[in-house]
Amino acid sequence: DAKTTQPTSMDCAEGRAANLPCNHSTISGNEYVYWYRQIHSQGPQYIIHGLKNNETNEMASLIITEDRKSSTLILPHATLRDTAVYYCIVRGSQGAQKLVFGQGTRLTINP
Amino acid sequence: GAVVSQHPSRVICKSGTSVKIECRSLDFQATTMFWYRQFPKQSLMLMATSNEGSKATYEQGVEKDKFLINHASLTLSTLTVTSAHPEDSSFYICSAHPGLEGTDTQYFGPGTRLTVL
Repeated sequence: DAKTTQPTSMDCAEGRAANLPCNHSTISGNEYVYWYRQIHSQGPQYIIHGLKNNETNEMASLIITEDRKSSTLILPHATLRDTAVYYCIVRGSQGAQKLVFGQGTRLTINP
Repeated sequence: GAVVSQHPSRVICKSGTSVKIECRSLDFQATTMFWYRQFPKQSLMLMATSNEGSKATYEQGVEKDKFLINHASLTLSTLTVTSAHPEDSSFYICSAHPGLEGTDTQYFGPGTRLTVL
């Protein structure tokens, strides 16, 4: 699976949009981009995933560049409960493949 | 959404004892479950992949005789830490995959915090 690079930490003001970048320059054509987050002392929570089109759900939006070498997770109106470590993971689409977690981005939402 | 539970949520044991952690998929059948370990301030590290009815596949460096995995049914996988030592103290997390074609999402349990005295 392709490697991802994320900033170690980010801060965002409550109520503002949080934009979390991820670089995955070695992604191959059949690999998806997944985002999970982990709130302190809890299991990871699935947020969103995409292949090449932008995706939106009730939690977030995922913007993938046309060359697919990077993506941005957008939390449109961040709340204090969005403080967590956010993981960007690239993996194939065939069956139950393991997820390889990097260090992620520690996002802190400030009041 | 899919729910995965773990039991116990935290356990404290003496060095040398064995501890069993259960992972259950509550509203779906999981043909594949994964076990992760997370030390403080570190990311999740995959320990093994568990497929229902077959032997688990362990990641490099993970001792299969120390971390026994059983996936006897489509809703239950267990991880037994045998002869636990203080260095085994960690946050153990499982995830489950529904096994349906086109459903790529894994769902994680809430984790089990193991402290070995």
